[in-house]
Amino acid sequence: KQEVTQIPAALSVPEGENLVLNCSFTDSAIYNLQWFRQDPGKGLTSLLLIQSSQREQTSGRLNASLDKSSGRSTLYIAASQPGDSATYLCAVENFNKFYFGSGTKLNVKP
Amino acid sequence: GAVVSQHPSRVICKSGTSVKIECRSLDFQATTMFWYRQFPKKSLMLMATSNEGSKATYEQGVEKDKFLINHASLTLSTLTVTSAHPEDSSFYICSAFIGSGYEQYFGPGTRLTVT
Repeated sequence: KQEVTQIPAALSVPEGENLVLNCSFTDSAIYNLQWFRQDPGKGLTSLLLIQSSQREQTSGRLNASLDKSSGRSTLYIAASQPGDSATYLCAVENFNKFYFGSGTKLNVKP
Repeated sequence: GAVVSQHPSRVICKSGTSVKIECRSLDFQATTMFWYRQFPKKSLMLMATSNEGSKATYEQGVEKDKFLINHASLTLSTLTVTSAHPEDSSFYICSAFIGSGYEQYFGPGTRLTVT
Protein backbone atom coordinates (compact mmCIF):
# COMPACT_ATOMS: atom_id res chain seq x y z
CA LYS A 1 0.00 0.00 0.00
CA GLN A 2 1.23 3.46 -0.88
CA GLU A 3 2.50 5.50 2.04
CA VAL A 4 3.18 9.20 1.80
CA THR A 5 5.35 11.04 4.29
CA GLN A 6 5.90 14.75 4.63
CA ILE A 7 8.77 16.37 6.43
CA PRO A 8 8.87 18.57 8.41
CA ALA A 9 5.50 18.39 10.14
CA ALA A 10 5.74 22.06 11.04
CA LEU A 11 7.94 24.91 9.94
CA SER A 12 8.22 28.50 11.12
CA VAL A 13 10.26 31.00 9.11
CA PRO A 14 10.65 34.77 8.94
CA GLU A 15 9.11 36.57 6.00
CA GLY A 16 11.28 36.64 2.88
CA GLU A 17 12.99 33.31 3.39
CA ASN A 18 13.11 30.65 0.72
CA LEU A 19 11.98 27.26 1.95
CA VAL A 20 11.61 23.65 0.89
CA LEU A 21 8.91 21.20 1.85
CA ASN A 22 9.52 17.51 1.35
CA CYS A 23 7.25 14.66 0.33
CA SER A 24 8.25 11.01 -0.07
CA PHE A 25 6.26 8.02 -1.24
CA THR A 26 6.92 4.30 -1.11
CA ASP A 27 5.46 3.10 -4.41
CA SER A 28 7.00 4.80 -7.45
CA ALA A 29 4.25 3.58 -9.81
CA ILE A 30 2.33 6.83 -9.67
CA TYR A 31 0.39 8.67 -12.35
CA ASN A 32 0.85 12.08 -10.87
CA LEU A 33 1.68 14.04 -7.74
CA GLN A 34 -0.25 17.06 -6.57
CA TRP A 35 0.57 19.73 -4.01
CA PHE A 36 -2.25 21.41 -2.13
CA ARG A 37 -2.63 24.13 0.40
CA GLN A 38 -5.23 24.01 3.14
CA ASP A 39 -6.19 26.95 5.31
CA PRO A 40 -7.66 26.24 8.77
CA GLY A 41 -11.19 24.90 8.54
CA LYS A 42 -11.18 25.10 4.76
CA GLY A 43 -11.00 22.77 1.81
CA LEU A 44 -8.00 22.16 -0.39
CA THR A 45 -6.59 24.47 -3.02
CA SER A 46 -4.54 22.82 -5.73
CA LEU A 47 -1.16 24.45 -6.19
CA LEU A 48 0.73 22.30 -8.67
CA LEU A 49 0.23 19.04 -10.50
CA ILE A 50 3.20 17.07 -11.79
CA GLN A 51 2.50 14.28 -14.24
CA SER A 52 4.57 11.14 -13.83
CA SER A 53 6.53 11.94 -17.01
CA GLN A 54 7.47 15.41 -15.77
CA ARG A 55 10.22 16.45 -13.42
CA GLU A 56 9.00 19.81 -12.28
CA GLN A 57 6.28 22.42 -12.46
CA THR A 58 6.38 26.10 -11.64
CA SER A 59 3.72 28.61 -10.73
CA GLY A 60 4.77 32.05 -9.58
CA ARG A 61 6.91 31.69 -6.47
CA LEU A 62 6.26 27.96 -6.26
CA ASN A 63 8.31 25.24 -7.84
CA ALA A 64 7.63 21.55 -7.38
CA SER A 65 9.98 18.78 -8.44
CA LEU A 66 9.40 15.08 -8.80
CA ASP A 67 11.89 12.22 -8.74
CA LYS A 68 9.81 9.11 -9.26
CA SER A 69 12.67 6.66 -9.03
CA SER A 70 13.63 7.80 -5.55
CA GLY A 71 10.04 8.43 -4.48
CA ARG A 72 10.53 12.09 -3.64
CA SER A 73 9.02 15.46 -4.36
CA THR A 74 9.88 18.89 -3.09
CA LEU A 75 7.90 22.09 -3.01
CA TYR A 76 10.07 25.17 -3.12
CA ILE A 77 8.57 28.47 -1.99
CA ALA A 78 10.58 31.56 -2.85
CA ALA A 79 10.47 34.80 -0.88
CA SER A 80 7.89 33.55 1.58
CA GLN A 81 5.10 35.85 2.74
CA PRO A 82 2.77 35.75 5.77
CA GLY A 83 -0.06 34.90 3.38
CA ASP A 84 1.73 31.64 2.61
CA SER A 85 0.96 30.43 6.14
CA ALA A 86 -1.14 27.28 5.78
CA THR A 87 -0.84 23.52 5.80
CA TYR A 88 0.69 22.08 2.66
CA LEU A 89 -0.31 18.60 1.57
CA CYS A 90 1.08 16.38 -1.13
CA ALA A 91 -0.90 13.58 -2.71
CA VAL A 92 0.07 10.85 -5.19
CA GLU A 93 -2.21 9.00 -7.56
CA ASN A 94 -2.00 5.23 -7.96
CA PHE A 95 -4.61 3.60 -10.16
CA ASN A 96 -7.30 6.24 -9.66
CA LYS A 97 -6.74 6.44 -5.91
CA PHE A 98 -5.10 9.29 -4.10
CA TYR A 99 -2.89 8.99 -1.07
CA PHE A 100 -2.16 12.00 1.08
CA GLY A 101 0.70 12.90 3.33
CA SER A 102 -0.04 14.28 6.78
CA GLY A 103 1.01 17.76 5.75
CA THR A 104 3.51 20.44 6.69
CA LYS A 105 2.13 23.32 8.71
CA LEU A 106 3.90 26.47 7.61
CA ASN A 107 4.00 29.69 9.59
CA VAL A 108 5.62 32.71 7.97
CA LYS A 109 6.28 35.41 10.52
CA PRO A 110 6.05 39.07 9.49
CA GLY B 1 -9.73 25.84 -12.59
CA ALA B 2 -12.70 23.55 -12.22
CA VAL B 3 -15.19 24.27 -9.45
CA VAL B 4 -16.63 21.78 -7.00
CA SER B 5 -19.26 22.84 -4.51
CA GLN B 6 -20.44 21.22 -1.31
CA HIS B 7 -23.65 21.81 0.53
CA PRO B 8 -24.11 22.49 3.35
CA SER B 9 -20.86 24.04 4.50
CA ARG B 10 -21.78 23.50 8.14
CA VAL B 11 -24.42 21.34 9.75
CA ILE B 12 -25.33 20.55 13.32
CA CYS B 13 -27.59 17.61 13.99
CA LYS B 14 -28.77 15.54 16.89
CA SER B 15 -27.65 12.00 17.62
CA GLY B 16 -29.68 9.44 15.77
CA THR B 17 -30.66 11.65 12.86
CA SER B 18 -29.36 11.41 9.29
CA VAL B 19 -27.54 14.10 7.40
CA LYS B 20 -27.05 14.41 3.64
CA ILE B 21 -24.08 16.22 2.12
CA GLU B 22 -24.05 17.11 -1.56
CA CYS B 23 -21.03 17.40 -3.80
CA ARG B 24 -21.40 18.99 -7.22
CA SER B 25 -18.99 19.59 -10.05
CA LEU B 26 -20.19 22.88 -11.50
CA ASP B 27 -18.42 23.19 -14.82
CA PHE B 28 -17.31 19.71 -15.78
CA GLN B 29 -18.50 16.12 -15.69
CA ALA B 30 -16.80 13.91 -13.17
CA THR B 31 -16.91 10.19 -13.71
CA THR B 32 -15.47 9.71 -10.26
CA MET B 33 -15.94 11.51 -7.00
CA PHE B 34 -14.11 10.79 -3.78
CA TRP B 35 -15.26 11.32 -0.23
CA TYR B 36 -12.71 12.08 2.45
CA ARG B 37 -12.88 12.61 6.13
CA GLN B 38 -10.44 14.78 8.00
CA PHE B 39 -9.89 14.61 11.73
CA PRO B 40 -8.47 17.62 13.58
CA LYS B 41 -4.81 18.24 12.71
CA LYS B 42 -4.73 15.10 10.58
CA SER B 43 -4.55 14.48 6.88
CA LEU B 44 -7.37 13.37 4.64
CA MET B 45 -8.63 9.83 4.98
CA LEU B 46 -10.25 8.40 1.89
CA MET B 47 -13.65 6.97 2.79
CA ALA B 48 -15.02 5.85 -0.55
CA THR B 49 -14.81 6.16 -4.29
CA SER B 50 -18.03 7.04 -6.03
CA ASN B 51 -18.52 6.23 -9.71
CA GLU B 52 -21.53 7.49 -11.62
CA GLY B 53 -24.14 4.79 -12.13
CA SER B 54 -22.48 2.16 -9.98
CA LYS B 55 -22.08 1.29 -6.33
CA ALA B 56 -19.49 3.13 -4.33
CA THR B 57 -16.29 1.41 -3.33
CA TYR B 58 -15.57 1.80 0.36
CA GLU B 59 -12.17 1.76 2.01
CA GLN B 60 -11.43 -0.80 4.66
CA GLY B 61 -12.94 0.12 8.00
CA VAL B 62 -15.62 2.43 6.57
CA GLU B 63 -19.16 1.23 7.25
CA LYS B 64 -21.11 1.32 4.00
CA ASP B 65 -24.45 1.14 5.80
CA LYS B 66 -23.57 4.15 7.89
CA PHE B 67 -22.10 6.29 5.13
CA LEU B 68 -24.44 5.95 2.16
CA ILE B 69 -23.09 7.27 -1.10
CA ASN B 70 -25.15 7.92 -4.20
CA HIS B 71 -23.63 9.15 -7.46
CA ALA B 72 -26.80 9.98 -9.34
CA SER B 73 -25.27 11.90 -12.22
CA LEU B 74 -21.93 12.99 -13.65
CA THR B 75 -22.15 16.19 -11.64
CA LEU B 76 -23.64 15.11 -8.32
CA SER B 77 -22.66 12.74 -5.54
CA THR B 78 -24.25 12.63 -2.10
CA LEU B 79 -23.00 11.30 1.21
CA THR B 80 -25.60 10.47 3.83
CA VAL B 81 -24.45 9.91 7.38
CA THR B 82 -27.13 7.70 8.88
CA SER B 83 -27.99 7.49 12.57
CA ALA B 84 -25.30 10.01 13.34
CA HIS B 85 -23.27 9.78 16.54
CA PRO B 86 -21.02 12.40 18.13
CA GLU B 87 -17.97 10.47 16.94
CA ASP B 88 -19.12 11.10 13.36
CA SER B 89 -18.41 14.79 13.92
CA SER B 90 -15.72 15.69 11.44
CA PHE B 91 -14.80 17.66 8.36
CA TYR B 92 -16.00 15.89 5.22
CA ILE B 93 -14.47 16.83 1.88
CA CYS B 94 -15.39 15.61 -1.57
CA SER B 95 -13.37 15.77 -4.73
CA ALA B 96 -14.18 15.29 -8.37
CA PHE B 97 -11.92 13.56 -10.81
CA ILE B 98 -11.96 13.45 -14.60
CA GLY B 99 -9.60 10.54 -15.02
CA SER B 100 -6.20 9.09 -14.34
CA GLY B 101 -3.36 11.57 -14.75
CA TYR B 102 -5.62 14.56 -14.26
CA GLU B 103 -6.09 16.83 -11.29
CA GLN B 104 -8.41 16.16 -8.46
CA TYR B 105 -10.67 19.14 -7.70
CA PHE B 106 -11.81 19.56 -4.13
CA GLY B 107 -14.94 20.96 -2.64
CA PRO B 108 -14.72 23.44 0.24
CA GLY B 109 -15.72 20.83 2.81
CA THR B 110 -18.61 20.32 5.21
CA ARG B 111 -18.22 20.63 8.96
CA LEU B 112 -20.54 18.15 10.64
CA THR B 113 -21.22 18.43 14.35
CA VAL B 114 -23.38 15.80 16.01
CA THR B 115 -24.71 16.74 19.44
